[in-house]
Amino acid sequence: DTAVSQTPKYLVTQMGNDKSIKCEQNLGHDTMYWYKQDSKKFLKIMFSYNNKELIINETVPNRFSPKSPDKAHLNLHINSLELGDSAVYFCASSQRRFGGSTDTQYFGPGTRLTVL
Amino acid sequence: GDSVTQMEGPVTLSEEAFLTINCTYTATGYPSLFWYVQYPGEGLQLLLKATKADDKGSNKGFEATYRKETTSFHLEKGSVQVSDSAVYFCASTMKTSYDKVIFGPGTSLSVIP
Repeated sequence: DTAVSQTPKYLVTQMGNDKSIKCEQNLGHDTMYWYKQDSKKFLKIMFSYNNKELIINETVPNRFSPKSPDKAHLNLHINSLELGDSAVYFCASSQRRFGGSTDTQYFGPGTRLTVL
Repeated sequence: GDSVTQMEGPVTLSEEAFLTINCTYTATGYPSLFWYVQYPGEGLQLLLKATKADDKGSNKGFEATYRKETTSFHLEKGSVQVSDSAVYFCASTMKTSYDKVIFGPGTSLSVIP
């Protein structure tokens, strides 16, 4: 019973291609996130959705476009891939507490993207 | 902006040694504080957390105390095991956006037999 799942686990592609990563959570959480982890393990938030509404949109190239069809799913589409996009991408989910404070985040296993 | 600082390592310890990983945060007010652990090839998972001053979070022999006066949340374990080898991330919520969690740069720990 995987709580947060991502597909694919590995993605190897050529520069200029378009690719998507999918994420699903079965925890009943209302908030989902995309993070990028670089080769030095530094974790940077990219986007967050709450009940299908975009609430965090960091300084990310507009080649990256998230989509949340429902509150259990958050997908990430990347256009015109570049070498610098190579990283591990993590999806996470959490439940917003009363008053707006966020609780523990639950992470997926990651998608390792390699752009050649 | 708000930030979280932690010793970056890598840290190498012998089995049964004492572990301390320092963490300080800048968010004002009363952010929630977390330690997450990432084992090789896996996603992050919560290790422990504290939501108010003087709270102590604990799990699997690890402890951290929320110190408001020093804005710190140092992670400690009295006797590390080889299986504790992982990357440890300190994190805090931001005062202006409670939906955003700021992560420190991570500390890589290797425990040798």
